[in-house]
Amino acid sequence: GENVEQHPSTLSVQEGDSAVIKCTYSDSASNYFPWYKQELGKRPQLIIDIRSNVGEKKDQRIAVTLNKTAKHFSLHITETQPEDSAVYFCAANQGGKLIFGQGTELSVKP
Amino acid sequence: NAGVTQTPKFQVLKTGQSMTLQCAQDMNHNSMYWYRQDPGMGLRLIYYSASEGTTDKGEVPNGYNVSRLNKREFSLRLESAAPSQTSVYFCASSEMAVREPLPPYEQYFGPGTRLTVT
Repeated sequence: GENVEQHPSTLSVQEGDSAVIKCTYSDSASNYFPWYKQELGKRPQLIIDIRSNVGEKKDQRIAVTLNKTAKHFSLHITETQPEDSAVYFCAANQGGKLIFGQGTELSVKP
Repeated sequence: NAGVTQTPKFQVLKTGQSMTLQCAQDMNHNSMYWYRQDPGMGLRLIYYSASEGTTDKGEVPNGYNVSRLNKREFSLRLESAAPSQTSVYFCASSEMAVREPLPPYEQYFGPGTRLTVT
């Protein structure tokens, strides 16, 4: 079955810097890769997703890249702000299910 | 629209007790899911229901049962709670195309249930 590995587990950056979170997956049949943000005590919410027919997708300060050959995808956050502090999860689909990575706790210091 | 709702928000059980976590969605989604979230482990799928009338095991189904009561409601039952089931439980729903190769759509999560088993 699908296995999703996410790194790093914690990430601390200064406000205004960029943050990069990386994930690898094992199932070459996976074709959908969402990223969720979870603030403390809240539910996970989708922030961006990418399907396998594109290599990159941007939405304002966040972007996701996908390398299907290497089976990895990354989340890029530019010009980080304190409100970006949260836990971020990547996921890959296995058929109709999502398999999540272990999460990255991002801390943005003012 | 309330989206995805879950009850209760918090629950404390003693080992061996049973309980049912309730989930309902008002988005007319076909698919519903139950996850557990533990520190450092991400979100792990317990069971899911691709459509009304079907249920399937996820990554960690042992100790749980589910019922897809109708299109709106999907419940999770712990028959004999164990301390290892202490966790935060999230329900989610999706307007999903389950037949491959179509990819799934966004999953919407409920607010979660924090369960402690002593």
